[in-house]
Amino acid sequence: DGGITQSPKYLFRKEGQNVTLSCEQNLNHDAMYWYRQDPGQGLRLIYYSQIVNDFQKGDIAEGYSVSREKKESFPLTVTSAQKNPTAFYLCASSKGDRANNEQFFGPGTRLTVL
Amino acid sequence: QQQVKQSPQSLIVQKGGIPIINCAYENTAFDYFPWYQQFPGKGPALLIAIRPDVSEKKEGRFTISFNKSAKQFSLHIMDSQPGDSATYFCAASIGGYQKVTFGTGTKLQVIP
Repeated sequence: DGGITQSPKYLFRKEGQNVTLSCEQNLNHDAMYWYRQDPGQGLRLIYYSQIVNDFQKGDIAEGYSVSREKKESFPLTVTSAQKNPTAFYLCASSKGDRANNEQFFGPGTRLTVL
Repeated sequence: QQQVKQSPQSLIVQKGGIPIINCAYENTAFDYFPWYQQFPGKGPALLIAIRPDVSEKKEGRFTISFNKSAKQFSLHIMDSQPGDSATYFCAASIGGYQKVTFGTGTKLQVIP
């Protein structure tokens, strides 16, 4: 089955710890994205990558880091510098084709800081 | 200029009713306007999308109306069902490689 997988589904972190959220896709998509979802605020873009070894900051990149060493993978690290990391994190990918800009989302990771 | 404003924040309709969700944008360079549906605890999924060269698009019970001059677009759900209860997001983007800007979401509840 083609799609996007995110792991873990639930993640608990102690204050001051860095954690890495996994995102893998087998859709052969060029573009990948990380969003943060908070109640009443919709989806806010953290980072996005249009091609391997290249990525750009989104609207709320502070306290987060990413890498794109492989086309299939786009892990997100939530660092201790992120002051309010408790949220639902969504990874997405798209072909990047102008004719079809549909984003395919993974099932999400719910991060809770204890 | 990149903002997409969505209303209402929440909506309750009875089964068979026609909920309408509205979105407005400022950036006239946007050329792709999708709607996503999200069920609790899941990732959003594309529902229907429109480009600014058409004023209306229907897919099953879902219709997008697009008003280019007013820079507004809306989602109508005909004959709504309890299974349509979800959060709906409008969005806009420029081209295929650009980031997508999402509205803040509308939580729809369809009561039997």
